[in-house]
Parts: sequence; C-alpha cells; structure tokens
Amino acid sequence: GAVVSQHPSRVICKSGTSVKIECRSLDFQATTMFWYRQFPKQSLMLMATSNEGSKATYEQGVEKDKFLINHASLTLSTLTVTSAHPEDSSFYICSARDSKKDTNTGELFFGEGSRLTVL
Amino acid sequence: DAKTTQPPSMDCAEGRAANLPCNHSTISGNEYVYWYRQIHSQGPQYIIHGLKNNETNEMASLIITEDRKSSTLILPHATLRDTAVYYCIAHSNSGYALNFGKGTSLLVTP
Repeated sequence: GAVVSQHPSRVICKSGTSVKIECRSLDFQATTMFWYRQFPKQSLMLMATSNEGSKATYEQGVEKDKFLINHASLTLSTLTVTSAHPEDSSFYICSARDSKKDTNTGELFFGEGSRLTVL
Repeated sequence: DAKTTQPPSMDCAEGRAANLPCNHSTISGNEYVYWYRQIHSQGPQYIIHGLKNNETNEMASLIITEDRKSSTLILPHATLRDTAVYYCIAHSNSGYALNFGKGTSLLVTP
C-alpha cells in the first residue's frame, strides 16, 4: 500500500532553536498534504493544509510564522517549527492522499509521526 | 463533517470479536463513514470506509444501519496487536482533511 514517510521520528532540541520535519509520499504524488499535532492523551488536531506550489492554509489559532510549511514538490512537504519552546513539544503527524485517485475511494495515508521534545 | 460519538473505552478478550459502535445521527447523504486506528506513538492507520452498504476487507467489517445514523466496526478475531484507539469519522470526501474526535480506546486482553 501507499506509504508516507516522516523524518526524523524523534528530535530533541533546545529552546529557541528551529526544527524541520519532512513528510514524503513514497509511491504516489500528493498535491495536498495535511499536518496534525497531537498532545499526550489527546486526539489529533489539524494544524494546516499544505498545497504544492502555493501557500499553506492554517487552522485558526496556529501561527503561520511559527510553523512554516513548504510543499515544494508533489512528494515532499516540510514543517519547520521556528524558535521552538517547551510548549511546542508534541507528536507531529503528516498525511497525504494520492492525487490521482478519486477522493471518494482513496484513503488518507499517515506518516509514522515525529515526536518533538523541546528542552 | 458530521459529529460522531463513540464510547471512550472498551475491552475485548483475545480471539473474540470486537464490536466498536459509532453514532453519527446528523450524517449527510454525501458523507462516508471512515474508520482509522492509532496504535500508541504511531500515525493513524486506515481500516475501512463505507457509504451505505456493509463493507468487509482483510482487517475488519463495517456495518452501517439502514438510516445511516450509526455504524459498527467489527474485528472478527481480536489479537493483542489490535489494542489501539479507534476513530470513527464522517467525511464528505471533499479532499479536505479528516477531523478526528476522541475515539474509542480498545484494550484486547489475553
């Protein structure tokens, strides 16, 4: 089946530094990818929609200048957490759907997630 | 997406069928019922989805009531590896993201 890969799976950084997380669709093209965040014992919360070749769309309450999203190709989206602080520590998950498949039948594939810990 | 309601937790003995209910009484005609699960510290995994008819695949069966106001995900022979949080989502397949509720935490016991 289709695979979405995230890297790194775990990252620990100091407060004030920036961290980049990559999301790749390995065997399909995705014009749109989605970024979620999940805090302990909570559900996934959509942060933003990443659109290939255009600006990302952010959910209410998500700072676009803090969470920079770049979707430079049909198989890669990146999320950069800028000037990270301890409250940004979370599990970040990306997802993508095969652009060539009918949205009525194609499921959304999720990456393995990236656990960010900010000290 | 229509609101879905699931029990917060369920237990199931290994080898028995796990029946996970979901209420989606305000579902609209163009919304599918999707089921995903999330094993601890992993990304969600697609299980199954359907519109009106019951569906079955290698992982599970999905039973949707005739009025489409509720559904049941059936894992026919639960194993310890099926311990996870199961999410039921009503989604119109508009190309937008899935919105996750709190799901049901299923614990499969030996």
